[in-house]
Formats: sequence, structure tokens, C-alpha cells
Amino acid sequence: AQSVTQLDSHVSVSEGTPVLLRCNYSSSYSPSLFWYVQHPNKGLQLLLKYTSAATLVKGINGFEAEFKKSETSFHLTKPSAHMSDAAEYFCVVSPRHNKFYFGSGTKLNVKP
Amino acid sequence: DAGVIQSPRHEVTEMGQEVTLRCKPISGHNSLFWYRQTMMRGLELLIYFNNNVPIDDSGMPEDRFSAKMPNASFSTLKIQPSEPRDSAVYFCASSGDRVIGQFFGPGTRLTVL
Repeated sequence: AQSVTQLDSHVSVSEGTPVLLRCNYSSSYSPSLFWYVQHPNKGLQLLLKYTSAATLVKGINGFEAEFKKSETSFHLTKPSAHMSDAAEYFCVVSPRHNKFYFGSGTKLNVKP
Repeated sequence: DAGVIQSPRHEVTEMGQEVTLRCKPISGHNSLFWYRQTMMRGLELLIYFNNNVPIDDSGMPEDRFSAKMPNASFSTLKIQPSEPRDSAVYFCASSGDRVIGQFFGPGTRLTVL
């Protein structure tokens, strides 16, 4: 069975502090994993993806995620939050081509 | 690359009217997905096509919803008759055999009064 759990529905950080958005998955296969960001009233934009190459994946806007198979996790991090990072973030697992399972989303609030 | 194009961006209609949403996938992509997003239910997959053929329509809510993909560059999602509970943002996404992941359009915000 495939599933994605985003452990926090809301995360609030101060500008300039680190961001950690947690994602755990279960998959019967060796999946591809993705993080998408959705700014208010916008579509979903691909931040980064893991496809069984390097376990530490760098994405756009300074975000990165580390695939940890032993922990079945794919947490999203950024060293220093910016006000423009305020958005909703979705973790997605793809156990095979064209099959995608979305997490329920984490809303990131960045305080000045 | 123009990305996935959706039209209209906003649609306001009255209950009982027919609504048609349109999507143009990224050129060269052969998979197309329709999603619906609401506050209550989050993001839901409605249907996906591969090479213009519907592969999985298990997410289509009921017979009022229908989707077509007459060619590789165009798809429609039709709701007839529309109901207030259909109010949502509808996203189209595309992918391809040599593409890992999906690319989303900007969405159509549908309001049914």
C-alpha cells in the first residue's frame, strides 16, 4: 500500500530561521518522491524530486530534502526562511510511472 | 515552454448550467491529469489520460462529470448540470514517458451559485 503522511498541518517560523517540513511515506516499491509548493491562489510548482540518485536533493529557492530509506522519510528543509516562502507544501510519492499519492499539505507561515 | 495552459481562469455560473473547463498540456507530454482542490477534501485526482485514453476515472464524482481528450494537445472537463458543491479549483497537470513528476497548470476557480 502507498501513503504519504505530512506530520504537521501548520508550521510557523520566524524570518531568517530554519524550516523543517516533515514527510513520511510508505510504498511497496522504490518510489520517486517530490515536494510541491502552492502559493495562495496559484497552481502547484515542483520544488524538487528524488528519483533514486543522490539521497540529498537540492531544489529551487534554497530548499533541499533528504531521502532516508531506513526512516521512510523525505523531510524538506531550508536554512533560512524568507517571507516569500509562506505557502502550502505538498509531499508526493510516486511508486510507479503516472501514479501519484499526495500528502494532505503543510501550511508554512513566516513571521517577520 | 508555455507550461500547462488552462481556461478559463475563473468561472462563475448558476446551478444547473453546463460548465466546460479546458486544458492544453505541455507539448510532448502524453499523460494528462485532472484534479479538484477544496478546503474540505484537499487535492483529489478525478481522472487521468495516457496517450489520449482514459486510464483511471475512479475519482470522477458522478455522472454529471465527464472528461475527454480528443487529441494530444487538448482536454476538457465538463460538468452538467453544475451544483454549488462543485465549487472548487480544478487543476490540470501533464507528464510524459521521459518526464518524472507532473507539471501543473494555474487552475480554474469554479463558483457555482
